[in-house]
Amino acid sequence: GENVEQHPSTLSVQEGDSAVIKCTYSDSASNYFPWYKQELGKGPQLIIDIRSNVGEKKDQRIAVTLNKTAKHFSLHITETQPEDSAVYFCAASIKRSGAQKLVFGQGTRLTINP
Amino acid sequence: DGGITQSPKYLFRKEGQNVTLSCEQNLNHDAMYWYRQDPGQGLRLIYYSQIVNDFQKGDIAEGYSVSREKKESFPLTVTSAQKNPTAFYLCASSTLATGSEQYFGPGTRLTVT
Repeated sequence: GENVEQHPSTLSVQEGDSAVIKCTYSDSASNYFPWYKQELGKGPQLIIDIRSNVGEKKDQRIAVTLNKTAKHFSLHITETQPEDSAVYFCAASIKRSGAQKLVFGQGTRLTINP
Repeated sequence: DGGITQSPKYLFRKEGQNVTLSCEQNLNHDAMYWYRQDPGQGLRLIYYSQIVNDFQKGDIAEGYSVSREKKESFPLTVTSAQKNPTAFYLCASSTLATGSEQYFGPGTRLTVT
């Protein structure tokens, strides 16, 4: 079935350094790739997304890149700050029976060390 | 204040009891979803609905039931048939447009003992 693999499962970086999280997906028809940030005990919040007609998207310190040929996409966070510490999830869209669904990666726990 | 609300935030039940989790949205979204989240794992889809009075099973629907009598509401019942019901439950909604963002509620943590 459809699958999204996310790596690494945990990531620890020094404040001010960059963090990169990578995902691969299996369904070549996927065309929408959101990233969510989840703080402890809360629901996930959408932080950035990318659609298959572009290769890169930036929003201040956050960027996402997409390689459709290789079926992988990545989240880049620059100049990391303590408030970036959270669990991050990638997802890829699939369409079944006329409905669009998201398949999620397993999550990456990002810790920013002061 | 627009968004998705889930209640209660914490829920405790004895084994063998059914329990219903509430999800309400005022975003005028047609589609609603229920996910289950276990520690260290991603989100797994339980049920979803694209229109009132219609819903489909997700990847882990066994032991759960839903209803969609109103566009704004999509309650989830965790039945006694669900073998491992303790988890964090998340509700989401979106429009029906291709590539539409899903917005999540704050979640309900269910503990069954």
